Amino acid sequence: DTEVTQTPKHLVMGMTNKKSLKCEQHMGHRAMYWYKQKAKKPPELMFVYSYEKLSINESVPSRFSPECPNSSLLNLHLHALQPEDSALYLCASSQDRSRGLNSPLHFGNGTRLTVT
Amino acid sequence: KQEVTQIPAALSVPEGENLVLNCSFTDSAIYNLQWFRQDPGKGLTSLLLIQSSQREQTSGRLNASLDKSSGRSTLYIAASQPGDSATYLCAVNTGFQKLVFGTGTRLLVSP
Repeated sequence: DTEVTQTPKHLVMGMTNKKSLKCEQHMGHRAMYWYKQKAKKPPELMFVYSYEKLSINESVPSRFSPECPNSSLLNLHLHALQPEDSALYLCASSQDRSRGLNSPLHFGNGTRLTVT
Repeated sequence: KQEVTQIPAALSVPEGENLVLNCSFTDSAIYNLQWFRQDPGKGLTSLLLIQSSQREQTSGRLNASLDKSSGRSTLYIAASQPGDSATYLCAVNTGFQKLVFGTGTRLLVSP
């Protein structure tokens, strides 16, 4: 069982919908990440939060809006998505980003998103 | 720009074989390298992490090596089992936990 929990497991949404993906970890990690993975491709970094502050935004379109309400939770708010945004969205966490350069990332099982 | 390549892209072996997966990266300025496995439709499971100052790491039947100067890492799997069937990904840490993933190797171990 993964120590990073993502909900929902599957999500189908229309291009005009607003939805949110949720991620939770209770390992005391202070760095949390969103990755996007298209079929048969490696994961691509979207956002990094460190101590609840956004530290990296990999030029992600504004229709994706991350939020980190506290050290255990990470959300990804979705609005006006396009069909090409359909992918597996993975959340990950790790120990403190500045001290823990060598700490491994722990991934959740992802949310399979389909945009119709 | 860091580029990470994995060879072979796919591998099929009978149960019991020892096998080697390869990972190469273009920029040797890395902090660490991590090996993951991914089962179909699932997230990534961390297998081994090698720090830039280390040469190898071992966990059970898995052994990962790192030659930073030549931009190469290998994952050795001993006595392969059908349960090892998955996609294996290597990822290099270019700084501040910014991982660049390889293209992956799909492994099938047949009984």
